[in-house]
Formats: sequence, C-alpha cells, structure tokens
Amino acid sequence: GIQVEQSPPDLILQEGANSTLRCNFSDSVNNLQWFHQNPWGQLINLFYIPSGTKQNGRLSATTVATERYSLLYISSSQTTDSGVYFCAVGQIYNQGGKLIFGQGTELSVKP
Amino acid sequence: SAVISQKPSRDICQRGTSLTIQCQVDSQVTMMFWYRQQPGQSLTLIATANQGSEATYESGFVIDKFPISRPNLTFSTLTVSNMSPEDSSIYLCSVESSGSSWEQFFGPGTRLTVL
Repeated sequence: GIQVEQSPPDLILQEGANSTLRCNFSDSVNNLQWFHQNPWGQLINLFYIPSGTKQNGRLSATTVATERYSLLYISSSQTTDSGVYFCAVGQIYNQGGKLIFGQGTELSVKP
Repeated sequence: SAVISQKPSRDICQRGTSLTIQCQVDSQVTMMFWYRQQPGQSLTLIATANQGSEATYESGFVIDKFPISRPNLTFSTLTVSNMSPEDSSIYLCSVESSGSSWEQFFGPGTRLTVL
C-alpha cells in the first residue's frame, strides 16, 4: 500500500521563527490533507491540498503531485502552534475514502 | 464543514468490559470512518461505515472486536468489546465533505483508558 513519510519527526522552535514540514508519499493520490492535533487530541483541518498552493494566515502549503511531496510552511511561529502536525493521503479510486496518515511532526514552540 | 460530536469524550473502563462510542453529524453523509490512535502513534483506520450495509474493516480489525452500527445518515456507533489495556487509545470518527472535494473532517475523539 501507499507509504507516507513525514519529516522531521520532532522540531523545537523559538517563538517567531519559521519552519517547513515535509510529507513524501509513494503513489499518486487524489486527497492530501494537513492536520494539527492540539494537546487535547482534537484534529484541526489545516489544508485540503491534493495539488497546488494554498495560504491561510501564517500557514501555507504546497503539493507537487507529480513529485509526490507536500510542504507545510509555518511563519512567525507562536506557542499555540505547538502540537503534532499530520499529513494524510487518500486514493479515492482504489481505497474509497480511506486516509493514510504519516507518523507526524511534533512541534514545540518556546516563548 | 460538518459539525461532528462524539460521546463519551473520555472514559476509564475495566478489562473485559465493552464500551460503545457514539458519533453524531449535523448533516447527512454517505460515508463515516472510524480511526484509532494509540498512545504516541499516528491514526489508523479501523473501518468504513456506510448506511444500509455492513461496515468494511481494515486488515487487523475484526467485527467481533469492533462492531459498528450505522442506522442512518447522521449517526454511527463503534463498540470496543472485551477490552484489554492494549485498547487504550483515542477513537475518532470522521466524515467526508458534502461538497465536491474528498476532504475529511474529524470528531473531537473519545479518549479510552482500560485498566
């Protein structure tokens, strides 16, 4: 089945710093989502981005489907950005709506 | 996006008992999904629940252990049966967007601890 790899696994930033999180996947997909899991366990949708570039405030994401990777950019990080960031992919045509998750990047932003 | 609620939000259970988790959506959806997140791990799909048909289970998950009901287009339950400490996890339900995309949205999760 499709493999999803995220890097780095852990990241510690000083408040105000910028960061880039990467997601590599092993096959073509028609669903790619970025999530932020807060300390209470809730998954927050950040981006639905099977291809192209999107921006939402301090966050932006780019997916290059032909090269099978996606990047999540966090600028001017804040302590509230701390948590785990997951990339998840889906292949609707042969997997139904199943999402396959990467192992996540645990981000800690220090004041 | 759909508003999804889960009950209970957390529970502590004894070994050998069963717990039923409810997932309620504020709009009709075709597909609902149940995921498990073991401590410190990523999310893994347990099964897909379509209304009016048997749930489809992923490899490693069986109906006797995780029976699922889907009585209508806004509601589903997942039961964790004959629990052991290894079942301590966060259980999350999700639904697909009702629009033209395949985006999924997740409920707040049920944090289960088995003693």
